[in-house]
Amino acid sequence: AQSVTQPDIHITVSEGASLELRCNYSYGATPYLFWYVQSPGQGLQLLLKYFSGDTLVQGIKGFEAEFKRSQSSFNLRKPSVHWSDAAEYFCAVGGGSGGYNKLIFGAGTRLAVHP
Amino acid sequence: DSGVTQTPKHLITATGQRVTLRCSPRSGDLSVYWYQQSLDQGLQFLIQYYNGEERAKGNILERFSAQQFPDLHSELNLSSLELGDSALYFCASSVTGGPTDTQYFGPGTRLTVL
Repeated sequence: AQSVTQPDIHITVSEGASLELRCNYSYGATPYLFWYVQSPGQGLQLLLKYFSGDTLVQGIKGFEAEFKRSQSSFNLRKPSVHWSDAAEYFCAVGGGSGGYNKLIFGAGTRLAVHP
Repeated sequence: DSGVTQTPKHLITATGQRVTLRCSPRSGDLSVYWYQQSLDQGLQFLIQYYNGEERAKGNILERFSAQQFPDLHSELNLSSLELGDSALYFCASSVTGGPTDTQYFGPGTRLTVL
């Protein structure tokens, strides 16, 4: 069965520091992978997605993620964090035969940013 | 603003009651999804519709039902409500409902069951 693990529940970084949020997935075929961000009181916004091709994916707000098949990982990175990046981040795996697209989400990582 | 609208934003009701949550997808999107976000279960996929027809089902309870209407808006009906149904319910929409689609999420409806 598909599953997603985000090992870090909470992460705190200083503004301007680099960030890496971990995501590991379990999926039998080539996965479709997504990172979403949820700000307090808001819905989820897509940061980036990976289906195939170049394993380094660029997203919005300066985020990038790297797909590593050998490690079943899809870690999210940002070189310099801004205070406005404080939010909860969700990794998700999707896709399936028959044309449907249910997303399986990880538990999320809550990011706090210190000034 | 994703373009997906959900009403109401907040709903407070009592155990045993029935409620209806409404979702309007982005203009041009044919597929609608429902997700539940709770503290103990996290974000869980409930059900997907495409152009009025059910396409995929997840961990949706028998007390819950959904439909997508000809104008493509969708409703999620929750009945015989229990305390554990308190959660944030998200609707998302996408163009075709296929596996490479981006799902655009609405702001959610927060349901509190007392």
